[in-house]
Amino acid sequence: GAGVSQTPSNKVTEKGKYVELRCDPISGHTALYWYRQSLGQGPEFLIYFQGTGAADDSGLPNDRFFAVRPEGSVSTLKIQRTERGDSAVYLCASSLSSSYNSPLHFGNGTRLTVT
Amino acid sequence: EDQVTQSPEALRLQEGESSSLNCSYTVSGLRGLFWYRQDPGKGPEFLFTLYSAGEEKEKERLKATLTKKESFLHITAPKPEDSATYLCAVQADSGNTPLVFGKGTRLSVIA
Repeated sequence: GAGVSQTPSNKVTEKGKYVELRCDPISGHTALYWYRQSLGQGPEFLIYFQGTGAADDSGLPNDRFFAVRPEGSVSTLKIQRTERGDSAVYLCASSLSSSYNSPLHFGNGTRLTVT
Repeated sequence: EDQVTQSPEALRLQEGESSSLNCSYTVSGLRGLFWYRQDPGKGPEFLFTLYSAGEEKEKERLKATLTKKESFLHITAPKPEDSATYLCAVQADSGNTPLVFGKGTRLSVIA
């Protein structure tokens, strides 16, 4: 079946611009997660949704980052006034529930480059 | 603060040369320990979940084990297609906390 889909796969933007990254989770998965991965590092948690609401946004680095999931399915990660330090691969994952025994299924990520 | 340390950072093996990857963790009560495989340009792919010390899980040439302080991923007679980065992650036993990942071990298996 279809996995987690992320678009675009690559995004190059100029410093100071606004970007949106989209995540289409596996159908029926209620929990959705955003992670960020820099080169040579493991994924770093940003935010997770249970349904439409953000259940934990403690990983968002500052108020330039925002994410929504208005209908409990597709999610968009929004970054305002991008900085070169925002360059990374942004990974989205979904799971059947947020229960501990429900593994995360990841998409292939969006590689964001801020010039 | 929950922490995950993986060693070695990189490992190069000849085809058929068995070895183990280590994941040491500190967490305020372990709910689960997860192993993922990540190929270049791809997202992590789930391999195993371990919940309690003494537990073992196997899949093809991979076997994961868990103690109270660390987990090992044993690779028996590896093949070149096992080359990837292997990530370890923990989830703490306090509400629905997110997974905390280590930096991974980059495995190369040479034919």
